[in-house]
Amino acid sequence: DTEVTQTPKHLVMGMTNKKSLKCEQHMGHRAMYWYKQKAKKPPELMFVYSYEKLSINESVPSRFSPECPNSSLLNLHLHALQPEDSALYLCASSLRTETGSNEQFFGPGTRLTVL
Amino acid sequence: KQEVTQIPAALSVPEGENLVLNCSFTDSAIYNLQWFRQDPGKGLTSLLLIQSSQREQTSGRLNASLDKSSGRSTLYIAASQPGDSATYLCAVEGTASKLTFGTGTRLQVTL
Repeated sequence: DTEVTQTPKHLVMGMTNKKSLKCEQHMGHRAMYWYKQKAKKPPELMFVYSYEKLSINESVPSRFSPECPNSSLLNLHLHALQPEDSALYLCASSLRTETGSNEQFFGPGTRLTVL
Repeated sequence: KQEVTQIPAALSVPEGENLVLNCSFTDSAIYNLQWFRQDPGKGLTSLLLIQSSQREQTSGRLNASLDKSSGRSTLYIAASQPGDSATYLCAVEGTASKLTFGTGTRLQVTL
């Protein structure tokens, strides 16, 4: 299995809702990432997990809460989002976070719309 | 702060042409550079990764070069096809595997 999967593909939520995005990989990768991509812009890093521990939080608002229950699974819990949070949320994984030939593999993304 | 720029922002070529996409970065202290393609509304597909110690990488009709000291990379696509139409993104890896992405080049290959 050489892919990263994300569910759901699309999500519409109100500003008072609580929802979660899910990401899964079975490549034995020990680093997982969340990115946010607005229309016609490059992806921006949100969080990095290394060996199931949060290693980087790029000053993301607390209404986004990441979780890494095990080495194959990464969640992003959403609560009290704003319409400007509407974007494509991308998950990625790599073998590890130690620098080197650390190729990142991306999932297909979740298209989030906040009403 | 690392800044990555891609030129041109958009490109339209007829099928069969060879083409070059450019990527430049301001901080040469990188560990590797990765090229991706992204179809509209989709995720990113990794095309090539060049380690900082390498000069180029090839995969099929794609060839990527890296000149770390001058902060430049190019992606060469040979014999372009309509299926190559997509946005191409370069990204440089800094510390802790943080990727900084370029602004992207939107490529259209016409029949």
